[in-house]
Amino acid sequence: QKEVEQDPGPLSVPEGAIVSLNCTYSNSAFQYFMWYRQYSRKGPELLMYTYSSGNKEDGRFTAQVDKSSKYISLFIRDSQPSDSATYLCAMSNAGGTSYGKLTFGQGTILTVHP
Amino acid sequence: DAGVIQSPRHEVTEMGQEVTLRCKPISGHNSLFWYRQTMMRGLELLIYFNNNVPIDDSGMPEDRFSAKMPNASFSTLKIQPSEPRDSAVYFCASRGQGYEQYFGPGTRLTVT
Repeated sequence: QKEVEQDPGPLSVPEGAIVSLNCTYSNSAFQYFMWYRQYSRKGPELLMYTYSSGNKEDGRFTAQVDKSSKYISLFIRDSQPSDSATYLCAMSNAGGTSYGKLTFGQGTILTVHP
Repeated sequence: DAGVIQSPRHEVTEMGQEVTLRCKPISGHNSLFWYRQTMMRGLELLIYFNNNVPIDDSGMPEDRFSAKMPNASFSTLKIQPSEPRDSAVYFCASRGQGYEQYFGPGTRLTVT
């Protein structure tokens, strides 16, 4: 079993839809959680960054972390064709020998069609 | 601000040749990471450095792969000899004081 599981999709939604992207993880030591967006033939770009449990909102994007369930989500409201990309979740321990390392999900391919 | 810089952006080489990928991290960042991305395996961490020192190279697939970081502003990933199965996109990322990493645009390597 992988440490981080992410449904690869692909996910196709109409413009304006609410999109929900999710990851589950098995390592209870993870405390820092990130979402990256990767456009085709580009490098991953940091989208959201949260610490521990709770919600964080940035414009149309909301990141949620539920550490008790080992489950994180990214919601995109009023989705746009420009949101079409691969979304990767990533997470990290707080310290120890794995300090600074990120463990990535395999990414979900999202297409928003007009 | 300049982000992470990688060169070359594309590399096509023949099997058996030496390949050198280059990375310049964001100024002031003290950690540098090399990743490989393929459709089959996703994003894999190959090696990372803290303060120019290699910390974890357990992801380096074989002895054919080596990485160096001679100073805080430059790192190389070398493959010698290259094989077709090394074809992938190689990313460099750097990190400052937080846990988030910032990625470069990648080098698309094709070994024929």
